Amino acid sequence: LAKTTQPISMDSYEGQEVNITCSHNNIATNDYITWYQQFPSQGPRFIIQGYKTKVTNEVASLFIPADRKSSTLSLPRVSLSDTAVYYCLVGPYYFGGADGLTFGKGTHLIIQP
Amino acid sequence: EAGVVQSPRYKIIEKKQPVAFWCNPISGHNTLYWYRQNLGQGPELLIRYENEEAVDDSQLPKDRFSAERLKGVDSTLKIQPAELGDSAVYLCASSFSDRIYEQYFGPGTRLTVT
Repeated sequence: LAKTTQPISMDSYEGQEVNITCSHNNIATNDYITWYQQFPSQGPRFIIQGYKTKVTNEVASLFIPADRKSSTLSLPRVSLSDTAVYYCLVGPYYFGGADGLTFGKGTHLIIQP
Repeated sequence: EAGVVQSPRYKIIEKKQPVAFWCNPISGHNTLYWYRQNLGQGPELLIRYENEEAVDDSQLPKDRFSAERLKGVDSTLKIQPAELGDSAVYLCASSFSDRIYEQYFGPGTRLTVT
């Protein structure tokens, strides 16, 4: 299953747009891209999922280029409460062994006032 | 709608003692997962259930860990005997079986083994 690479940490400021990129060079045809958010002392929370092009919901947007070898999670106008760890997962939508449900270390996003 | 419920939230035990964690998933979710999360790491899948059947337990240390989901609803994860290296947060999650990437997590149980 496709492995993912994300930055270990990122900093930004309140009101800015934040883009977190995930690399998945060996993504398979039936793989989807999913992002989770985790606050301290809480379990991860599903944010968004996509296959190609662009997906948007009330929380974030997910941009996936045509070759699907990377994806970008975009958080508009962040606030202090967006400080969290963000995980990128890649795998088939309906199936998954242990590899398919691997969270990795994620990206620690820190938002400053 | 109630979320995933886990208990206890915190547990401190001495090594070699047994410990059990309980999880009640979201109503209607037939897939249930147990994860272990070490400090600074992402969650690591231990076992996945489809209804009452364990369909993926390849990462579960079977010499000391066991799990059950007898009626296909709530589940228990047990460690016996606990070791110092088992100190971690144990997370339970649930989902619909055809949406395994959209999982809903409980708050976790923080286990400290002394």
